[in-house]
Amino acid sequence: GQNIDQPTEMTATEGAIVQINCTYQTSGFNGLFWYQQHAGEAPTFLSYNVLDGLEEKGRFSSFLSRSKGYSYLLLKELQMKDSASYLCAVRDSNYQLIWGAGTKLIIKP
Amino acid sequence: IAGITQAPTSQILAAGRRMTLRCTQDMRHNAMYWYRQDLGLGLRLIHYSNTAGTTGKGEVPDGYSVSRANTDDFPLTLASAVPSQTSVYFCASSEGEAGGYNEQFFGPGTRLTVL
Repeated sequence: GQNIDQPTEMTATEGAIVQINCTYQTSGFNGLFWYQQHAGEAPTFLSYNVLDGLEEKGRFSSFLSRSKGYSYLLLKELQMKDSASYLCAVRDSNYQLIWGAGTKLIIKP
Repeated sequence: IAGITQAPTSQILAAGRRMTLRCTQDMRHNAMYWYRQDLGLGLRLIHYSNTAGTTGKGEVPDGYSVSRANTDDFPLTLASAVPSQTSVYFCASSEGEAGGYNEQFFGPGTRLTVL
């Protein structure tokens, strides 16, 4: 079967750095997405990785290792508004998106 | 309007009733999607459409139907609602074909409760 694993919940302090991991076992791989979803709202796009390595976009960076079936989202200089769920999704060999259940990130002052 | 709108925002429905969730986008995107989101589970694709006049089944299509008469609208119909269809439903759209590398833009969601 296809599976995306993310921690259910993480807590971090305002101003700090947090890394949210995502491991996947899918039938093929054609890219990995990260989305942010605030409580009661729609998911919004953060990043897309298809090649190994680190993609940096402001305070957010996303890393991919295809050989390890692993990605992480790195959030720097955390702000209270970063409190949200972070969703990992993988495009499989059929170009369908398989979504993880999301990681709820709680930021404390 | 800008982006994607969904209606209604929320709905309580008696089991056995028919219900249509509406979705409209103004970005002229070819691909549109319907997902359901349940606590503790990832988003699950119900149906998708690559362009007006075509639709396809996703991971959990049973009990749902869709139509795509034009580019902008992609309604989702529950012919005879059951309690297991209680969920938050998101409509999304993207450029290019469904399943492509383009980001998906999501509507605000419809919270549906079937009693």
